[in-house]
Amino acid sequence: DAKTTQPNSMESNEEEPVHLPCNHSTISGTDYIHWYRQLPSQGPEYVIHGLTSNVNNRMASLAIAEDRKSSTLILHRATLRDAAVYYCILRGAQKLVFGQGTRLTINP
Amino acid sequence: DTGVSQDPRHKITKRGQNVTFRCDPISEHNRLYWYRQTLGQGPEFLTYFQNEAQLEKSRLLSDRFSAERPKGSFSTLEIQRTEQGDSAMYLCASSPGGGRRKWGTEAFFGQGTRLTVV
Repeated sequence: DAKTTQPNSMESNEEEPVHLPCNHSTISGTDYIHWYRQLPSQGPEYVIHGLTSNVNNRMASLAIAEDRKSSTLILHRATLRDAAVYYCILRGAQKLVFGQGTRLTINP
Repeated sequence: DTGVSQDPRHKITKRGQNVTFRCDPISEHNRLYWYRQTLGQGPEFLTYFQNEAQLEKSRLLSDRFSAERPKGSFSTLEIQRTEQGDSAMYLCASSPGGGRRKWGTEAFFGQGTRLTVV
């Protein structure tokens, strides 16, 4: 399973944008980049995914580097409810393989 | 709500007892996954079903663990002779499968079953 590298933790302020980085230098051509987040005492929740092009949805944006070896999840205006562990996952097979993720803290 | 449902939400059992958890996936999702998560760690893959067929099992799934999905709908995960190391959150997820964008589909997770072995 291809591996991703994320910072263990990040901190931001409420109503400011947040950029969560992910490195995946061993990504293969057919791997999709998925992001999930997990709020305290909840199961993981899908955020966004992409293959090559940048993607936007109501929750976030995903910026994918041209060589696909890194990506960035962008929360445009963080709220306290965005405090969670964010997982960057490469999906090229049936299962999602989670790493340690980035614990995001939002300061009021 | 037609999300993924897991039962029970919490289970406390004595070491050596058997426990069984149930997962009801989103209807018409043919893929079902079980994960285990311990405190401070990301979820670890245990096993995966496509309809009723169990297609992949992790080495984490020792012979004390068994999972079934008899009719391709709900699934059960049984742990026999529980040990304290089995204490964890057990998560179930489902996703639609197949098609041209088969790895570009999202998985939907349940709230999990928290197992405590005393």
